[in-house]
Amino acid sequence: KQEVTQIPAALSVPEGENLVLNCSFTDSAIYNLQWFRQDPGKGLTSLLLIQSSQREQTSGRLNASLDKSSGRSTLYIAASQPGDSATYLCAVRGYGQNFVFGPGTRLSVLP
Amino acid sequence: SAVISQKPSRDICQRGTSLTIQCQVDSQVTMMFWYRQQPGQSLTLIATANQGSEATYESGFVIDKFPISRPNLTFSTLTVSNMSPEDSSIYLCSADFGTNEKLFFGSGTQLSVL
Repeated sequence: KQEVTQIPAALSVPEGENLVLNCSFTDSAIYNLQWFRQDPGKGLTSLLLIQSSQREQTSGRLNASLDKSSGRSTLYIAASQPGDSATYLCAVRGYGQNFVFGPGTRLSVLP
Repeated sequence: SAVISQKPSRDICQRGTSLTIQCQVDSQVTMMFWYRQQPGQSLTLIATANQGSEATYESGFVIDKFPISRPNLTFSTLTVSNMSPEDSSIYLCSADFGTNEKLFFGSGTQLSVL
C-alpha cells in the first residue's frame, strides 16, 4: 500500500527566501505525481504534474523534481512571497490506482 | 485547465439531517472523485463515480451514508446522510483531465454539524 509523507509539516520563512518542500513515497512504481496548493477552508489548486518518465517540471517560480528510485519529490519555490502562504500537498498515483495524498506542508511567508 | 464548480461552499447543519453537495464540470469527464478532509488532516477518497454505473466506495465508506449520483458526464452529487458532528469536514469533488490525467478540484464544501 502506497504511503506518502511530507517534511517539514510546517515552515515559516521571511519573504524573498528560496525554499524546498519534500515529499516521500514508499512504492516507486508510480504513474505520476502532482503538487497542489490549498488555502484555508478551500479546495486544491493544481501546481505541477510530473509523469513517471520525467525528472522535473517548471512553472514560473516553482520547480518540481522527481526521483522515483529513491521515492522522493521536491518542490522548489524561488523568491518566496507572502501570497505563497498556504498548505502544499503532494499526491502520488500508481498505475490503475487513485491518488494517495500526503499530509501537507503548511508554509508561512512573512513580509 | 478545467473548471469545477461546487456548491454549497459551506453549510451548518443539525444532527440527523442530510446535505447534498453538487459538483459541475465544464467539460465531459469519465470519472469524478469525492474526497473528505477532516480538520487538520489530508484528503481521504470517499468514492469514484462513473457515469451510468454505481459509485465505487473506498474502505470505510458506504453507500447508505454517502449516496452518490452521476447522471451525466459533467455532473455529480454527494449526499451526507444522517449527519453527526463527526461528519464535520471539508468535502471536495475532483476530476482528471487530458491524456496525462491531471487532477483538478472544486472549491470545496465546508460542513459543520451541530
